[in-house]
Amino acid sequence: GESVGLHLPTLSVQEGDNSIINCAYSNSASDYFIWYKQESGKGPQFIIDIRSNMDKRQGQRVTVLLNKTVKHLSLQIAATQPGDSAVYFCAEGGAAGNKLTFGGGTRVLVKP
Amino acid sequence: DAEITQSPRHKITETGRQVTLACHQTWNHNNMFWYRQDLGHGLRLIHYSYGVQDTNKGEVSDGYSVSRSNTEDLPLTLESAASSQTSVYFCASSVTGGTEAFFGQGTRLTVV
Repeated sequence: GESVGLHLPTLSVQEGDNSIINCAYSNSASDYFIWYKQESGKGPQFIIDIRSNMDKRQGQRVTVLLNKTVKHLSLQIAATQPGDSAVYFCAEGGAAGNKLTFGGGTRVLVKP
Repeated sequence: DAEITQSPRHKITETGRQVTLACHQTWNHNNMFWYRQDLGHGLRLIHYSYGVQDTNKGEVSDGYSVSRSNTEDLPLTLESAASSQTSVYFCASSVTGGTEAFFGQGTRLTVV
């Protein structure tokens, strides 16, 4: 598998604390917003998505919030674990299954 | 199990050579995508396809081409490799109407 050592914003989090990762998106016409996780040496992996007509969606230990007024997306991870250490990308798409535009990514480092 | 595989995983080539990166998925997904990942740029879309015989240019398509002769494969060809095309390349697929794109493990291409 491959990944690159991107010069990314980094969020350092104590194990067990909550993490909040933020993303500003560009296209007000986007219909879907998605969070991906990329571990070292692997391809991105889907975490959770939210449609533009929603403002909050919850998954297992994760919550995505969408603020269309300011074109802002956030991912909250509850009780962060060492396995959550990775690079997180937000992505936006015009319709389900269609091409995505990715943000620059945020590196999360979980401290024991 | 269904999967998406990329080959080769690593490739070194010389400037000016033609190079083809393979992507094969066994999910029977209609949608397939090629992205490149560089330092400071995250993932950028090169080409994509929504079905057999359908191909579309993405954000950074210059110097690349794809063909879709069957559902399973979307090979990416660099017509005349340039040093600026040194990158990590990811292939992805998704089902029509679905938001989850499945990514391959990536191919690290170095053009010398």
